[in-house]
Amino acid sequence: DQQVKQNSPSLSVQEGRISILNCDYTNSMFDYFLWYKKYPAEGPTFLISISSIKDKNEDGRFTVFLNKSAKHLSLHIVPSQPGDSAVYFCAASEGTGGFKTIFGAGTRLFVKA
Amino acid sequence: EAGVAQSPRYKIIEKRQSVAFWCNPISGHATLYWYQQILGQGPKLLIQFQNNGVVDDSQLPKDRFSAERLKGVDSTLKIQPAKLEDSAVYLCASSTGGNTIYFGEGSWLTVV
Repeated sequence: DQQVKQNSPSLSVQEGRISILNCDYTNSMFDYFLWYKKYPAEGPTFLISISSIKDKNEDGRFTVFLNKSAKHLSLHIVPSQPGDSAVYFCAASEGTGGFKTIFGAGTRLFVKA
Repeated sequence: EAGVAQSPRYKIIEKRQSVAFWCNPISGHATLYWYQQILGQGPKLLIQFQNNGVVDDSQLPKDRFSAERLKGVDSTLKIQPAKLEDSAVYLCASSTGGNTIYFGEGSWLTVV
């Protein structure tokens, strides 16, 4: 069973525009959510996170929004840059300590110059 | 600060052979994870250690996979015997115990 779902395998965006990556989850016990970015032949790297007590967290060009009632979160990248082209993984965990961190299948973002 | 180190980077073996992967976490990180990432899928947790104790190994195929973390630092993941479906990237990661996990570059396994 997929507890964390990223339904869009890929997304193509023009440089300078907004990229919106979506993620849905089913486990109501999840209370911490993270986004990771992965370049080819490298391990995933942490990008941004959000606790379930918040509905928005912003870090520079990256903003994560959390809608707990819909069990949905999204990552906004504004403005998108060619260097943002990568695979983005949504992840969710229960409590602190990264216990049972579950990853989605990823969305490949292409930012066209 | 040095990142998570893994070796070997690439390994090709025949089915039914054995393979071992090594991981050295970030210094001071008490929590260590092994993830399996099959092409086109997200990383799947195989085992999580807290120091040298196992926190979660519910998704580790224990008939063929084993992992240990002696002395609470380095860790090895072994597969014996390997099957074709074990072809994947094996990612080691570590953390201080918080929610942010730091990954190594991964060990790519091809079983033929």
